[in-house]
Amino acid sequence: QQQVKQSPQSLIVQKGGISIINCAYENTAFDYFPWYQQFPGKGPALLIAIRPDVSEKKEGRFTISFNKSAKQFSLHIMDSQPGDSATYFCAATDNYGQNFVFGPGTRLSVLP
Amino acid sequence: GAVVSQHPSWVICKSGTSVKIECRSLDFQATTMFWYRQFPKQSLMLMATSNEGSKATYEQGVEKDKFLINHASLTLSTLTVTSAHPEDSSFYICSARVAWTALVVYGYTFGSGTRLTVV
Repeated sequence: QQQVKQSPQSLIVQKGGISIINCAYENTAFDYFPWYQQFPGKGPALLIAIRPDVSEKKEGRFTISFNKSAKQFSLHIMDSQPGDSATYFCAATDNYGQNFVFGPGTRLSVLP
Repeated sequence: GAVVSQHPSWVICKSGTSVKIECRSLDFQATTMFWYRQFPKQSLMLMATSNEGSKATYEQGVEKDKFLINHASLTLSTLTVTSAHPEDSSFYICSARVAWTALVVYGYTFGSGTRLTVV
């Protein structure tokens, strides 16, 4: 119940295309859903996050869509660029930051 | 804000020696810090949780005598890999739980990681 499932494991997208990564959870106590971007040899960096009281959050080219009833959330990267090539992790935690759980990650490659 | 500084960024050591990795919270007080290990092309694996002034809590399967964690102050946590062996070679990352005060939500901020190579 503590797991966060993430798909696909890897993703190849052409420059200018849309990258979509999906995550699902089971623990209804989760209340905060961040996405992290990690470049090789670096620590994860917070990209964007959402709480269940909204269904969508957009920051620049990055959008989180959240479906509370289905317990699913997804990251959309519009106009994908080669510089977006990285590993993306979804995560979930409860309102007090306990039980922080990472998804297994998606390796995104954006072809020039 | 909410920056965690981790160093060294990489270290090479001889088998049998010990290595210390430091994580400092620069602009906030981190009562709790987390230590992760990451193998190539894999997700982060939580090793232990350290609370300031108390003993760390280790995840199942993590040797607490090999991976010594000290969290003596609100801004500094250290991980010491004792008697390192080649199989300890990995990418180690620390993180701290931070209150994003604007929304009163607790998020996590990560250090930049340490690449340990034991030869």
